[in-house]
Amino acid sequence: GDSVTQMEGPVTLSEEAFLTINCTYTATGYPSLFWYVQYPGEGLQLLLKATKADDKGSNKGFEATYRKETTSFHLEKGSVQVSDSAVYFCALSDINSGGSNYKLTFGKGTLLTVNP
Amino acid sequence: NAGVTQTPKFRVLKTGQSMTLLCAQDMNHEYMYWYRQDPGMGLRLIHYSVGEGTTAKGEVPDGYNVSRLKKQNFLLGLESAAPSQTSVYFCASRRAGGTDTQYFGPGTRLTVL
Repeated sequence: GDSVTQMEGPVTLSEEAFLTINCTYTATGYPSLFWYVQYPGEGLQLLLKATKADDKGSNKGFEATYRKETTSFHLEKGSVQVSDSAVYFCALSDINSGGSNYKLTFGKGTLLTVNP
Repeated sequence: NAGVTQTPKFRVLKTGQSMTLLCAQDMNHEYMYWYRQDPGMGLRLIHYSVGEGTTAKGEVPDGYNVSRLKKQNFLLGLESAAPSQTSVYFCASRRAGGTDTQYFGPGTRLTVL
């Protein structure tokens, strides 16, 4: 079945540091890939997504490139801010045997704390 | 446009009690979902619905029931709560077709004593 493995946290960085959160996946089909972010006390919200190989999703200074050859979708940001402190989830949406792709499979989440 | 809302935000139950969590969305989305979030486990899908009047089991459906009588509402029921159901519950919705984004509610924190 489908699965997502992401870097275990917590990750603690100083402001303006470079961020990488690793994400690899296993899928039977040709999935779309997502990063969701959960700020303290809130629900999840989409950060970025990519729907085909070599696509780069980007938003709010974050980027991730869909690498089919390495089955990866690593999240990066060049200079983190205190306001980026949150839990980050990698997820995939795959076409199932019935031809539907309405379910997301999530990684376990990575807690990022950015200190001033 | 409120997006996805959940009621209540917090609840404490005793073992064996029942309750219903309500999810409402005003985006005319066809698909709706209930997840639970537990420390170190990420989000796990409990039940989902691909349209009014239809529901299906997700990854961890035992101990829960759902109903989707109206397109905009998705109810999650616990008939006899157990301490193992202590969790944060999230509802989500999305449009049908493609790989569209799921929109999440703010969550309900449930404690079962």
